[in-house]
Amino acid sequence: AQTVTQSQPEMSVQEAETVTLSCTYDTSESDYYLFWYKQPPSRQMILVIRQEAYKQQNATENRFSVNFQKAAKSFSLKISDSQLGDAAMYFCAYRSAGNNDMRFGAGTRLTVKP
Amino acid sequence: ETGVTQTPRHLVMGMTNKKSLKCEQHLGHNAMYWYKQSAKKPLELMFVYNFKEQTENNSVPSRFSPECPNSSHLFLHLHTLQPEDSALYLCASSQDLVQRVLYEQYFGPGTRLTVT
Repeated sequence: AQTVTQSQPEMSVQEAETVTLSCTYDTSESDYYLFWYKQPPSRQMILVIRQEAYKQQNATENRFSVNFQKAAKSFSLKISDSQLGDAAMYFCAYRSAGNNDMRFGAGTRLTVKP
Repeated sequence: ETGVTQTPRHLVMGMTNKKSLKCEQHLGHNAMYWYKQSAKKPLELMFVYNFKEQTENNSVPSRFSPECPNSSHLFLHLHTLQPEDSALYLCASSQDLVQRVLYEQYFGPGTRLTVT
């Protein structure tokens, strides 16, 4: 079974600086999707960014970008110019292209210091 | 808000009670999901429905019983729960579950369940 590991339970960043959240996964499949979700305190979980495994180009969404290393099974999230509103739990998730099962990591709590 | 609502937002129940969680999506999606979120544990997928048909049941105890009467509504019926079932229960929806097509899941705010 696929597993997703987020090795950083907590991270902090100074406002306007850059932070990278780590995620690794274990799979024997070649076709899959990876996601980063954000869950602000007491608010709904929302999708931040997604990556198809067959795409070599790293996904980018405004201040959010990923470093997808397929051979290393690594999928880190970089947040540039951090803002106070970025403070949240961030979850890395894996979904096989062949089924509907989504696997999540345990999450990283990001604190943004003013 | 993302168009997925859940009621109630908070629920406290005894181990002998029967209660139901409700989820409703207003996004025109055809797939709906129940997840369990426990403290310091990864989010766990419980059930998946696609076009009202259950397609996934990840070894969930029978004290949790899902119901999907139509593509917009999803229920989770609870009975004789245990204290370890206390958690945040999240509902999500997405467009049709088609293999090898990437559809984003939209999450509801969750129901915070406490079993006493």
